[in-house]
Amino acid sequence: DAKTTQPPSMDCAEGRAANLPCNHSTISGNEYVYWYRQIHSQGPQYIIHGLKNNETNEMASLIITEDRKSSTLILPHATLRDTAVYYCIVRVARTGTYKYIFGTGTRLKVLA
Amino acid sequence: DTGVSQDPRHKITKRGQNVTFRCDPISEHNRLYWYRQTLGQGPEFLTYFQNEAQLEKSRLLSDRFSAERPKGSFSTLEIQRTEQGDSAMYLCASSHLRDWNTEAFFGQGTRLTVV
Repeated sequence: DAKTTQPPSMDCAEGRAANLPCNHSTISGNEYVYWYRQIHSQGPQYIIHGLKNNETNEMASLIITEDRKSSTLILPHATLRDTAVYYCIVRVARTGTYKYIFGTGTRLKVLA
Repeated sequence: DTGVSQDPRHKITKRGQNVTFRCDPISEHNRLYWYRQTLGQGPEFLTYFQNEAQLEKSRLLSDRFSAERPKGSFSTLEIQRTEQGDSAMYLCASSHLRDWNTEAFFGQGTRLTVV
């Protein structure tokens, strides 16, 4: 299964854009990249996902490189409530299985 | 719809005891997943159900672990003869089979402490 690699921690000033990188160099052609975040002791919360095109929703933007080996999650105007652990995930889907493979995550701290 | 529900939220048990956790997915969600998360780590995949069929089990799911989804709705995860290493957060998630391009919704988890 594909593996993701993320920096363990990052800081971002409140109101600035937070750019969280992820490496997924072993991703296969039909595997989607997902981002979730987890606030202390809660279940992971969905943010955004994509296959090869850049995506944007009300929470964030996802930039996927052309070779699909890496991606960046962008929170355009970080707030204190965005402090959380952010997980870059590869979704595996093939005959007999369907699962989300989590990395170790990036702990983002938004500073006032 | 109230989302994915897990019960209990917390469980403290003595080593060697059996425990069972329940997950109620979002209604009409055909796919159901169990994950385990230890402190400071990302969630690790345990098993996947499509309706009532258990299609994949991780190597992490030892013989002491068993999961069921008897009618394709709620699911249970049982751990027999618990060990201290089983202490973790157990997360359940669900998603819809119909949409290939969809996200999974996670519950709040059951935190197990084995003493």
